[in-house]
Amino acid sequence: SQQGEEDPQALSIQEGENATMNCSYKTSINNLQWYRQNSGRGLVHLILIRSNEREKHSGRLRVTLDTSKKSSSLLITASRAADTASYFCATDDNFNKFYFGSGTKLNVKP
Amino acid sequence: DAGVTQSPTHLIKTRGQQVTLRCSPKSGHDTVSWYQQALGQGPQFIFQYYEEEERQRGNFPDRFSGHQFPNYSSELNVNALLLGDSALYLCASSHGTGGYEQYFGPGTRLTVT
Repeated sequence: SQQGEEDPQALSIQEGENATMNCSYKTSINNLQWYRQNSGRGLVHLILIRSNEREKHSGRLRVTLDTSKKSSSLLITASRAADTASYFCATDDNFNKFYFGSGTKLNVKP
Repeated sequence: DAGVTQSPTHLIKTRGQQVTLRCSPKSGHDTVSWYQQALGQGPQFIFQYYEEEERQRGNFPDRFSGHQFPNYSSELNVNALLLGDSALYLCASSHGTGGYEQYFGPGTRLTVT
């Protein structure tokens, strides 16, 4: 079974708007990462946040981590049509096993 | 600098057959992980190889096996194929076994008929 679960499953917004997607997980983690996947191709790493970090920024991306709630959020600001993709959170546990959620499908309309 | 490469791109096999998928990691990476991604689902962790040994394994039967070579490249073997093995198989490489970003290859699309 997959540990991470993203919410919402699908999100449709207009270009220029912000997109927020959430990830919840079940057990303690070492790190949480966010990936993007275009049309069933390989995944692209976006950002990694360690369990002792609370917030991280990279360009238009902002990730938060709340280990007490076992949840993370990914915010994409000023979205573009090119951001249309599926977004996955992935966690690795104390045994270095990796778990991906089922993803959020983001559609950014031009 | 070549990224992660996988071969073949597509593959069609018949139930009961065996298949071998190949992966070359990104230059400088020593760890290879394999994932199975069914349509509409997130990737599921199959196993991870480091120093030519299987270090971690997900919830997959023994029909799934692998190998890592001295040059860090890796193979995924699946025996006695089932229809349910149809999926995109992704290889990811990293430097080290945990807490590092993984670089993914484009995947091999396996169809079992």
